[in-house]
Amino acid sequence: GQNIDQPTEMTATEGAIVQINCTYQTSGFNGLFWYQQHAGEAPTFLSYNVLDGLEEKGRFSSFLSRSKGYSYLLLKELQMKDSASYLCAVRVLYSGGYQKVTFGTGTKLQVIP
Amino acid sequence: NAGVMQNPRHLVRRRGQEARLRCSPMKGHSHVYWYRQLPEEGLKFMVYLQKENIIDESGMPKERFSAEFPKEGPSILRIQQVVRGDSAAYFCASSPGPSGRPAYEQYFGPGTRLTVT
Repeated sequence: GQNIDQPTEMTATEGAIVQINCTYQTSGFNGLFWYQQHAGEAPTFLSYNVLDGLEEKGRFSSFLSRSKGYSYLLLKELQMKDSASYLCAVRVLYSGGYQKVTFGTGTKLQVIP
Repeated sequence: NAGVMQNPRHLVRRRGQEARLRCSPMKGHSHVYWYRQLPEEGLKFMVYLQKENIIDESGMPKERFSAEFPKEGPSILRIQQVVRGDSAAYFCASSPGPSGRPAYEQYFGPGTRLTVT
């Protein structure tokens, strides 16, 4: 099975930088997603990492270390609209190449003025 | 370019009734996942289907819940004899399957909020 841990809640100030960590233990690891979910809405895709390293996409960056079972999502220049839950999710492959994605419980980020 | 569609968006059922939730995947996607999200909790995997085939139903409760994805039409998640504990948001996600480029792509529908009274 999969075990995914991320902090339950975080608070950060508008304009600042925040790092949301995610650790995982899984067999058959084949990639890690980050999704953003505003209250009452569907999750929206932010990033996907399968190789070690940092991937930058505008104000958001995602990092992966496969050997450590660790990822983080970095949000820069925080805006009030970034207040949301951030979901870390691990991808594993079945035989035949089918994928299963398991989600952590999410980190609720509150951005304050 | 329609995304993943789910209907109804909101569904109210009395205890003991049946709930049917529908999901149409994105164009070009032939694989569907269903997830359940209780208030203030994470997404829990329920079932993974491709057309006319259940690939993984390890997250489905053993009783009252079933899912299908017929050759024609949307995928349907069916909950029989609903109870208050079934009240949740049910999200569908679609992906292109192993042959997709990229194969990892997964997009969510807007969800169905089920309330059992």
